Amino acid sequence: QKEVEQNSGPLSVPEGAIASLNCTYSDRGSQSFFWYRQYSGKSPELIMSIYSNGDKEDGRFTAQLNKASQYVSLLIRDSQPSDSATYLCAVELGSGNTGKLIFGQGTTLQVKP
Amino acid sequence: NAGVMQNPRHLVRRRGQEARLRCSPMKGHSHVYWYRQLPEEGLKFMVYLQKENIIDESGMPKERFSAEFPKEGPSILRIQQVVRGDSAAYFCASSSQTEAFFGQGTRLTVV
Repeated sequence: QKEVEQNSGPLSVPEGAIASLNCTYSDRGSQSFFWYRQYSGKSPELIMSIYSNGDKEDGRFTAQLNKASQYVSLLIRDSQPSDSATYLCAVELGSGNTGKLIFGQGTTLQVKP
Repeated sequence: NAGVMQNPRHLVRRRGQEARLRCSPMKGHSHVYWYRQLPEEGLKFMVYLQKENIIDESGMPKERFSAEFPKEGPSILRIQQVVRGDSAAYFCASSSQTEAFFGQGTRLTVV
């Protein structure tokens, strides 16, 4: 089992719709979770961090964390063509500040005008 | 307020040469991480450093690869005797506590 798993996609949604991206992780002790966006040929850009169970909202983005089920999700409301990118889920392994961020393979999102 | 700075952005090396990649963390950040991304693949953790210390190098190949983060100056990822399979994008990230921010990466091509 991979440490962080994502569906590679592509996930295709029409402009204005809600895009839902999912991620599962294997280490029950992990406490810190992140979503990064990566445009083709560019570097990853941090868009959300979440540390507690529940929802965290930032503009059109909502991160959801369920530690009991070991999954993290990212919702993008009112999707725009500019949101088309690869979304990387990252989990910091272990319960302390280990610094070891493990990334999933990424989900490619395509927002069609 | 510069972000994470990596140089060079592009590096071409012949097989057998050495590649030296540099990373200057964001101001105030004392944690540096190196990742490798092969074409069409995810980011693979290589090494985590703090000033003058290697904290975790479990993702770095045992041979030919080394990393340092000296008291003064940038962090350096060194690849000796490069082979074609080393061609990839190498990203550096830095953090002060938990959130890590990435540099633009160095794209290494071995010919």
